[in-house]
Amino acid sequence: QVQLRQWGAGLLKPSETLSLTCGVYGGSISGYYWSWIRQSPGKGLEWIGEINHSESTTYNPSLKSRVSISVDTSKNQFSLKLNSLTAADTAVYFCARGNYCTFTTCYRAPFDIWGQGTMVAVSS
Amino acid sequence: IVMTQSPDSLAVSLGERATINCKSSQSLLHSYDNKNYLAWHQQKPGQPPKLLVSWASTRESGVPDRFSGSGSGTDFTLTISSLQAEDVAVYYCQHYYTTPITFGQGTRLEIK
Repeated sequence: QVQLRQWGAGLLKPSETLSLTCGVYGGSISGYYWSWIRQSPGKGLEWIGEINHSESTTYNPSLKSRVSISVDTSKNQFSLKLNSLTAADTAVYFCARGNYCTFTTCYRAPFDIWGQGTMVAVSS
Repeated sequence: IVMTQSPDSLAVSLGERATINCKSSQSLLHSYDNKNYLAWHQQKPGQPPKLLVSWASTRESGVPDRFSGSGSGTDFTLTISSLQAEDVAVYYCQHYYTTPITFGQGTRLEIK
């Protein structure tokens, strides 16, 4: 059974860069799109962006200028970087599995597996 | 696509029916495959969301059959036919029709 485990720094200062990694265990990172989602009291659940094993990415326009998602297929993991942090970026960050792909086509799919979540606080 | 849930909170007696609504700002019915790209998630405190229903009405494996999803186009419903204590949670609808993916604001379900 596929599991996602995520890690990264939880307390950051304004203007710093958030860096989180999500490991895929019990299955391959290939054949799917992998997303980052955050949850804050003020904005609920917000999709940040997605990536597949071929490094094809799509970002939420609201965060696109500050976000970078990368993948390391050799380690079966993917990562999130969010720069120029402010207090508004304080949230619980989740990784999740989404779309699936065959050899020729990718299909949109709901988030069926989630990481445990990482609380990130931005404070001076 | 804006997802709007109603109500924001709901209190139901044990054994009674709970109904949560979700409305999308545009149709989630894709003409390519005639499927509705709408999911329902359940989130309990301190846990990540858990997928309950996909394609508007397909219950995930292991989800009790008291949970059912219905609707098409822009209007969807999650129904819990007989509320159990373990169903206390926040429920979210999510579209995956296109990017950016968006969620409803959540409905908090409690025991009356």
